[in-house]
Amino acid sequence: KQEVTQIPAALSVPEGENLVLNCSFTDSAIYNLQWFRQDPGKGLTSLLLIQSSQREQTSGRLNASLDKSSGRSTLYIAASQPGDSATYLCAVTEAAGNKLTFGGGTRVLVKP
Amino acid sequence: NAGVTQTPKFQVLKTGQSMTLQCAQDMNHEYMSWYRQDPGMGLRLIHYSVGAGITDQGEVPNGYNVSRSTTEDFPLRLLSAAPSQTSVYFCASSYAPPRDNQPQHFGDGTRLSIL
Repeated sequence: KQEVTQIPAALSVPEGENLVLNCSFTDSAIYNLQWFRQDPGKGLTSLLLIQSSQREQTSGRLNASLDKSSGRSTLYIAASQPGDSATYLCAVTEAAGNKLTFGGGTRVLVKP
Repeated sequence: NAGVTQTPKFQVLKTGQSMTLQCAQDMNHEYMSWYRQDPGMGLRLIHYSVGAGITDQGEVPNGYNVSRSTTEDFPLRLLSAAPSQTSVYFCASSYAPPRDNQPQHFGDGTRLSIL
């Protein structure tokens, strides 16, 4: 059974510092990996999707890498801002292709 | 753009009652799914649908029913509510199943408490 882990569960950084968020998964047979952002009381917003054949994806200050063989993905957020405070979740699409398996998320606080 | 709309936003039920959580999307998405989010458990898939008339079970389907009579709507039914079903429920949709590299669009959730 696929298991997705995000460590740490919470992270606090001063404004301007780069954020590094980790995601690991146990079964490397995945179609893709997505990173989401969740604000309190809201749904999830898709940030980046990395296909299994790709090594990274970039959008503005966000960069996500994928190392399928080691079962790891990293989300980098450059020059963090207080508006980046949220919970970040990763999810993998596994072999059957119809389901996402989510990690528990990392709650990020960017202090002004 | 409405996106994915979930109703109601909040609901309190008594044990044994039944209810339907509504989910509608206006993006002509074929794939729709329901998750529950619980502290310490993350998001878990309840049921999903790859198109009208087709549904399948996810990780935690017991106690829930779904149907997909139209492309737009994917209601989730609680047959006989139990306190263990207290949770936040999210509906999501995409153009195609996740294996086709389509980002998922989520609604804002339904917060359900069962007494």
